[in-house]
Amino acid sequence: RKEVEQDPGPFNVPEGATVAFNCTYSNSASQSFFWYRQDCRKEPKLLMSVYSSGNEDGRFTAQLNRASQYISLLIRDSKLSDSATYLCVVNGVSGGYNKLIFGAGTRLAVHP
Amino acid sequence: NAGVTQTPKFQVLKTGQSMTLQCAQDMNHNSMYWYRQDPGMGLRLIYYSASEGTTDKGEVPNGYNVSRLNKREFSLRLESAAPSQTSVYFCASSENSPLHFGNGTRLTVT
Repeated sequence: RKEVEQDPGPFNVPEGATVAFNCTYSNSASQSFFWYRQDCRKEPKLLMSVYSSGNEDGRFTAQLNRASQYISLLIRDSKLSDSATYLCVVNGVSGGYNKLIFGAGTRLAVHP
Repeated sequence: NAGVTQTPKFQVLKTGQSMTLQCAQDMNHNSMYWYRQDPGMGLRLIYYSASEGTTDKGEVPNGYNVSRLNKREFSLRLESAAPSQTSVYFCASSENSPLHFGNGTRLTVT
């Protein structure tokens, strides 16, 4: 079983739709969680950290469910510019960014 | 602000050739990393350097060496390239923060 698993998609949605991605992780002792965005042939960029209580940044909401070991990303009112691959990132028990485990990503395509 | 700069952007090598990927950051970060990204897989850590003068193996270090030349620069060397090293390579840096990535190097080994 992969340490961090994501549905590769693609998720094809119309503009204005709400879309949600889940990501599961295997290490119950993981401490920190992030969502990164990666545009085609570009480098990953931090979208948002995921906090235990859940957090929101504009149209984006991230949630953590420790009991079921998954994190989610909800995008409301999708824009064409949201089309990208979304990477779920989890760090290991010992912490530190050298212990980050990346999911393979979920591809989102928003169409007019 | 340049952030993290990688060179070259593209490279084609023949099996057995050697090359060095360069990475420099201007954010005064202590930690630097080299990842590779392959289709259908997450980014995998090759080597990292927690601070100037130190380097450590990551998840997939075989076939690579690194040098932390100074605080700014962290290079990745392939001594004898193999087709399995065809990949996109990303350098990153951090300082008690999530990673900042460079633009990547697309390497093809034939």
